Amino acid sequence: AQSVTQLGSHVSVSEGALVLLRCNYSSSVPPYLFWYVQYPNQGLQLLLKYTSAATLVKGINGFEAEFKKSETSFHLTKPSAHMRDAAEYFCAVSEEASGSRLTFGEGTQLTVNP
Amino acid sequence: DTGVSQNPRHKITKRGQNVTFRCDPISEHNRLYWYRQTLGQGPEFLTYFQNEAQLEKSRLLSDRFSAERPKGSFSTLEIQRTEQGDSAMYLCASSWVGGGQETQYFGPGTRLLVL
Repeated sequence: AQSVTQLGSHVSVSEGALVLLRCNYSSSVPPYLFWYVQYPNQGLQLLLKYTSAATLVKGINGFEAEFKKSETSFHLTKPSAHMRDAAEYFCAVSEEASGSRLTFGEGTQLTVNP
Repeated sequence: DTGVSQNPRHKITKRGQNVTFRCDPISEHNRLYWYRQTLGQGPEFLTYFQNEAQLEKSRLLSDRFSAERPKGSFSTLEIQRTEQGDSAMYLCASSWVGGGQETQYFGPGTRLLVL
């Protein structure tokens, strides 16, 4: 069985500050990991995905995430927060590269203060 | 190609009524997924199709729920005898599976409120 834990349901940062959203996973097989962002009243947009080709993954909007097998983590970071980054962020895991349901964490609401 | 679309975007119904949602996936995508998202939670898997075949159903999908993808293109999700606990956002996602890693693309969702 696979699962995802996102530490911190709410994270607040100042504009220009570092963003760090935490994600830990549990999987019985090598995982495939994703970060999605959800703006109010919208669906989910893919930020980035871990494909096992590289442990540091770069995504859209300046976000990146690092896969650390020893820590079973896939934390999302951005060096400098912007007001438009305020949204809910979901980490998800899939057990099959070729297609499988996603198991999501509970989400982290990011607030960016001016 | 404008992405995954879902209709209606919002639905208010009375308890006991039946509702049906539609999802139009990205053209040529052979996989279609349904998820449910309640307030403050991440999406939870309900079911998925490979072309027109329904390959997996979650235990969350009670017998009041039925999904179809008759021609391997659009899909419908029907909830019979709705209950207040069915109030949620219903998300559809599609993907192409045929070599390489799958990426699921989500629609905007249908928000259901059962009174």
